[in-house]
Amino acid sequence: QKEVEQNSGPLSVPEGAIASLNCTYSDRGSQSFFWYRQYSGKSPELIMFIYSNGDKEDGRFTAQLNKASQYVSLLIRDSQPSDSATYLCAVYNQAGTALIFGKGTTLSVSS
Amino acid sequence: SQTIHQWPATLVQPVGSPLSLECTVEGTSNPNLYWYRQAAGRGLQLLFYSVGIGQISSEVPQNLSASRPQDRQFILSSKKLLLSDSGFYLCAWTAANNQPQHFGDGTRLSIL
Repeated sequence: QKEVEQNSGPLSVPEGAIASLNCTYSDRGSQSFFWYRQYSGKSPELIMFIYSNGDKEDGRFTAQLNKASQYVSLLIRDSQPSDSATYLCAVYNQAGTALIFGKGTTLSVSS
Repeated sequence: SQTIHQWPATLVQPVGSPLSLECTVEGTSNPNLYWYRQAAGRGLQLLFYSVGIGQISSEVPQNLSASRPQDRQFILSSKKLLLSDSGFYLCAWTAANNQPQHFGDGTRLSIL
């Protein structure tokens, strides 16, 4: 059974700080990696995706991928109270057909 | 632009009753379609996915079934609901394998 592991949190950071969210995955054949944000009672919203080793930046968000270590991370700079949500890491299986989700990390940003 | 519609938003059903949830996608052709369930306090569980009309793959054994009668329509069904079927049901689409998936607003299903 392929797995995606995340620390459930809660991760608490003050407003303006950097939030660091981590994820490990078990399928060495996975080629694509995603971060979703889910507010309470709402559906997941895509915020970042990454396919190659290294960093990918989009505004205040940076996704980092290390395939050798099977590790994906998300950095949120200048955290805002509106960033308070559950962040889901997701990894496709080797065939690229099924997206496997971690259970999510809850982030709380205090003002 | 592409949009995904899911309905109803909320549903309360008695144990043993049937279920039909519908999902449609607009603005794209031949999408991959997915049904997920999120139980309270748990992660997203992939239930079914489809890469084309009439092609359904099941990820977990259960009393649910899925059908894709048209290119952009995906239906989740059950003949007899169980208490354990309660949860937040989400439909998602993607343009191709390994591409980002986009979710509908979800259906919150409560079984009494």
